[in-house]
Amino acid sequence: LAKTTQPISMDSYEGQEVNITCSHNNIATNDYITWYQQFPSQGPRFIIQGYKTKVTNEVASLFIPADRKSSTLSLPRVSLSDTAVYYCLVGDRISGNTPLVFGKGTRLSVIA
Amino acid sequence: GAVVSQHPSRVICKSGTSVKIECRSLDFQATTMFWYRQFPKQSLMLMATSNEGSKATYEQGVEKDKFLINHASLTLSTLTVTSAHPEDSSFYICSARDLVTSGGQGGNEQFFGPGTRLTVL
Repeated sequence: LAKTTQPISMDSYEGQEVNITCSHNNIATNDYITWYQQFPSQGPRFIIQGYKTKVTNEVASLFIPADRKSSTLSLPRVSLSDTAVYYCLVGDRISGNTPLVFGKGTRLSVIA
Repeated sequence: GAVVSQHPSRVICKSGTSVKIECRSLDFQATTMFWYRQFPKQSLMLMATSNEGSKATYEQGVEKDKFLINHASLTLSTLTVTSAHPEDSSFYICSARDLVTSGGQGGNEQFFGPGTRLTVL
């Protein structure tokens, strides 16, 4: 499974756009990139998943360059409720038997 | 998205007792479920892969005789912490994959339960 590297923590003011970049230099051809959000004492919540270029949903955007060795999660106009730990994971989407291996994640603190 | 539930949400027990945690996929079938453990301020650590109808696969360092996993149906996996000790106190989280193609550019999403807080006195 590809190892990922993310900043340990980030701070942002309310209303700003937050971009969290993740490095995954050893990503394999079949690997997808998935981002999860976790609040204290809760299970991780799926945010977005992508394979290449750009993916956007109602919560976030995911930017993936052509070489796929990194990805950037973009959260538009964050609020206090976006304070959480964000995990970037890569893994084979084909096999349902493959677990997700979590790295340390990025602790985002949104300040009023 | 698909929903995964866990029961109980929190449990306090005495040292030496056994505790069972249930993980259910509510609106989809999951032949494979995963169990994670998370200590305070740390990331999730994979404990084992639970396979319906067969033995679980444990990660290195996880005692299979201490953490008993049973996956008796396509919607239920259980984790039993046997002879629990204070060092087993942790946040236990299960997950399952809905293999129906969904989300973004495809691929299958892994859905997580809300977690179970175990405190061993």
